[in-house]
Amino acid sequence: GAVVSQHPSRVICKSGTSVKIECRSLDFQATTMFWYRQFPKKSLMLMATSNEGSKATYEQGVEKDKFLINHASLTLSTLTVTSAHPEDSSFYICSAGQGANYGYTFGSGTRLTVV
Amino acid sequence: GESVGLHLPTLSVQEGDNSIINCAYSNSASDYFIWYKQESGKGPQFIIDIRSNMDKRQGQRVTVLLNKTVKHLSLQIAATQPGDSAVYFCAETTSGTYKYIFGTGTRLKVLA
Repeated sequence: GAVVSQHPSRVICKSGTSVKIECRSLDFQATTMFWYRQFPKKSLMLMATSNEGSKATYEQGVEKDKFLINHASLTLSTLTVTSAHPEDSSFYICSAGQGANYGYTFGSGTRLTVV
Repeated sequence: GESVGLHLPTLSVQEGDNSIINCAYSNSASDYFIWYKQESGKGPQFIIDIRSNMDKRQGQRVTVLLNKTVKHLSLQIAATQPGDSAVYFCAETTSGTYKYIFGTGTRLKVLA
């Protein structure tokens, strides 16, 4: 089945620094990937849709300059949290698939802690 | 706006019993539904899906029921095991939109 790899699984960074999270589709090509944010004991909140070769589509309320998304190839999307602050601490999850009606596969998530 | 909700935030069941997790959705245009299982510190894992032209689909120990009349989705887990303990999310989408709307989640606790 489809496998999505997310790296790193955990990261701790200092306030003001930037952190990059990678999402890779290992055995299929994904023209579209999604980035979610999840707070403790809460559901997944879609942040943006990452489109290969074009700009990402951000959900309302998500800062484009804060959360930079790059989807340079059919198997890799990256999310960069710029100038991180403690309130950016969260669980970030990506997903990818071969079409909305085939069920997207999720990565294992990245726990970001900003200190 | 449109939303997907769950009736029971926490469900405790005895090991070996059957579990039923419910979900209500409000977008009548949704035509594809998925149940995901999420264990602590991990990403959601696909369990089972169903399209709007069906009202029931069975997998291994799991069954999803769809009632479009009342916009209700349920996940039934037979002979619940300790390994089934997790948070379960339902998600809905509409063909061509590529976006999933997730429910708030139900925590399933399996009691030994």
